[in-house]
Amino acid sequence: QVELQESGPGLVKPSETLSLTCGVSGYSIISGYYWAWIRRPPGKGLEWIGSMFHSGKTDYNPSLKSRVTISVDASSNHLSLKLTSVTAADTAVYYCAAHDSSGRLDFWGQGTLATVSP
Amino acid sequence: QSVLTQSPTVSGAPGQRVTISCTGRSSNIGAGYNVHWYQQLPGTAPKLLIYGNSNRPSGVPDRFSASKSATSASLAITGLQVEDEADYYCQSYDRSLSGWVFGGGTRLTVL
Repeated sequence: QVELQESGPGLVKPSETLSLTCGVSGYSIISGYYWAWIRRPPGKGLEWIGSMFHSGKTDYNPSLKSRVTISVDASSNHLSLKLTSVTAADTAVYYCAAHDSSGRLDFWGQGTLATVSP
Repeated sequence: QSVLTQSPTVSGAPGQRVTISCTGRSSNIGAGYNVHWYQQLPGTAPKLLIYGNSNRPSGVPDRFSASKSATSASLAITGLQVEDEADYYCQSYDRSLSGWVFGGGTRLTVL
């Protein structure tokens, strides 16, 4: 069974960079699947941030593309997210997830809350 | 404003049937991309409920069913139970945006 676990600072100051990691267990991150970050702001719905295939190919939400970097560390079986120049609008629960080529999100982490505040 | 449109709320009494709609356009559902549905119970991560327009993963009760036509999709829940209270999301791919898109979500209340 694939398990994902997000971690990162719960509080980030405006204009700084939000950095999150996602540990993957039960599956080698370079064996397949697309690895994604998705967020849910308070009181709002889900928003896809971006995905990375193990080959290194990445796709990002056009609305966030200029500020987002997703990477994979095969040696530690981790997925990372960096979001620069954050504002209060980036406050959300951030999820890492695994999906196939049809977009089917099979596995999700439990989510981690990131709050942007001075 | 989500690319896929869902009604914000729906409600029903235990035992009843409800449907949740997901309206897209020619660049996503209408282009033939698969629609997937997720259930998010309060305080938990989303869970895959329906994949590939109408398929249930192992373990999902057959009270949940879904269909797709033209530029829209719908999720039906029969025999409503209190534990079905959750937020439900549809998801597809949009070729104009070159990315995955979600509906705004529908909150189901079981009266």
